[in-house]
Amino acid sequence: DQQVKQNSPSLSVQEGRISILNCDYTNSMFDYFLWYKKYPAEGPTFLISISSIKDKNEDGRFTVFLNKSAKHLSLHIVPSQPGDSAVYFCAASALRMDSSYKLIFGSGTRLLVRP
Amino acid sequence: DVKVTQSSRYLVKRTGEKVFLECVQDMDHENMFWYRQDPGLGLRLIYFSYDVKMKEKGDIPEGYSVSREKKERFSLILESASTNQTSMYLCASISFRGANTEAFFGQGTRLTVV
Repeated sequence: DQQVKQNSPSLSVQEGRISILNCDYTNSMFDYFLWYKKYPAEGPTFLISISSIKDKNEDGRFTVFLNKSAKHLSLHIVPSQPGDSAVYFCAASALRMDSSYKLIFGSGTRLLVRP
Repeated sequence: DVKVTQSSRYLVKRTGEKVFLECVQDMDHENMFWYRQDPGLGLRLIYFSYDVKMKEKGDIPEGYSVSREKKERFSLILESASTNQTSMYLCASISFRGANTEAFFGQGTRLTVV
């Protein structure tokens, strides 16, 4: 049962336009969401995050929106640049009963920004 | 400034071998995670640890075990490697602190089991 879903395996966008990457989740106990970017043969790098008590967080060209009622979040990149071409992973964390945290990832979306 | 180090970038092992993947972090984080990345499946959680000597199964623990004897080191063990364990293995070190949550990954270990 996939708790974090990224239903689009790939996305192609023209340079300068907006890239929108989507993520859906099923567990209403998730309290924190993160986006990671991954280049081939490298580990994922942190991009931006959002707490479940907020609906928007912005950092430069990157903005994450959270719709708790729809259990949906999205990452907006504007303007998109060729260097943004990578695989983007959505992740969610939940505090467990034993006070530990678990971080669950989606399957990723491969973004290609065309020059 | 390296924060999470995985012992090998590339590894080739034979079926049935016992394989150790090491991960070391220098940030004093309590939480460490092992994931594997496969095409179309994203990052799947194998095991995680929230304290020294504490370990929890993730979503796909079968065929794996872990060891956390020291806070900075989290080892993933393939008891008897099989070809379906050929994958990219990623270690993460995480401090869950609300808005200041930090999560860093190692560079990954590409394991091929032949």
